[in-house]
Amino acid sequence: GEDVEQSLFLSVREGDSSVINCTYTDSSSTYLYWYKQEPGAGLQLLTYIFSNMDMKQDQRLTVLLNKKDKHLSLRIADTQTGDSAIYFCADDTNAGKSTFGDGTTLTVKP
Amino acid sequence: DTEVTQTPKHLVMGMTNKKSLKCEQHMGHRAMYWYKQKAKKPPELMFVYSYEKLSINESVPSRFSPECPNSSLLNLHLHALQPEDSALYLCASSQDTGGRGYTFGSGTRLTVV
Repeated sequence: GEDVEQSLFLSVREGDSSVINCTYTDSSSTYLYWYKQEPGAGLQLLTYIFSNMDMKQDQRLTVLLNKKDKHLSLRIADTQTGDSAIYFCADDTNAGKSTFGDGTTLTVKP
Repeated sequence: DTEVTQTPKHLVMGMTNKKSLKCEQHMGHRAMYWYKQKAKKPPELMFVYSYEKLSINESVPSRFSPECPNSSLLNLHLHALQPEDSALYLCASSQDTGGRGYTFGSGTRLTVV
């Protein structure tokens, strides 16, 4: 079946860049997503990329997609303590059914 | 209005109780979802409504009963739950089921005692 995998933890210093990586197995994904979840809250859609794109930039966020390797990354420039959260990668290979990765816990140290 | 509103935020219920979770959105989205999320885990899809009709049921036990009274509202009726059903229940919506991501509510933290 479909699988989306992420590394579980990432720790960076405030002001550094963070790079969160994700791999997926189903090449028919139309969109790929990054969500952020802060403690006690729901998920917030950060950004998404259409499968025919290689890169998307939105302020401090840069998404890179390597469709050949089925690899997605999220780069957060100038990481701040408010960026500390769990980041989920997800795809949408079946209409209405997104598959989520296990989430990467980002810790930003002052 | 760009929000999905869920009530209540917290719920404690006994195993013989009947309760309902409510979800509301006024973004004109035509797809609505219920997810269950255990601590430190990704959300697990339970149900999908598309244009007010149930389109996906992920083999959820019948003690969970979804309802979509209109295009803005989604309910989840709970009956005879087990302690292992304790979790964060998230509602989400999207323009349709065709992509561009979901808007999630902040969830209902359910504890079954």
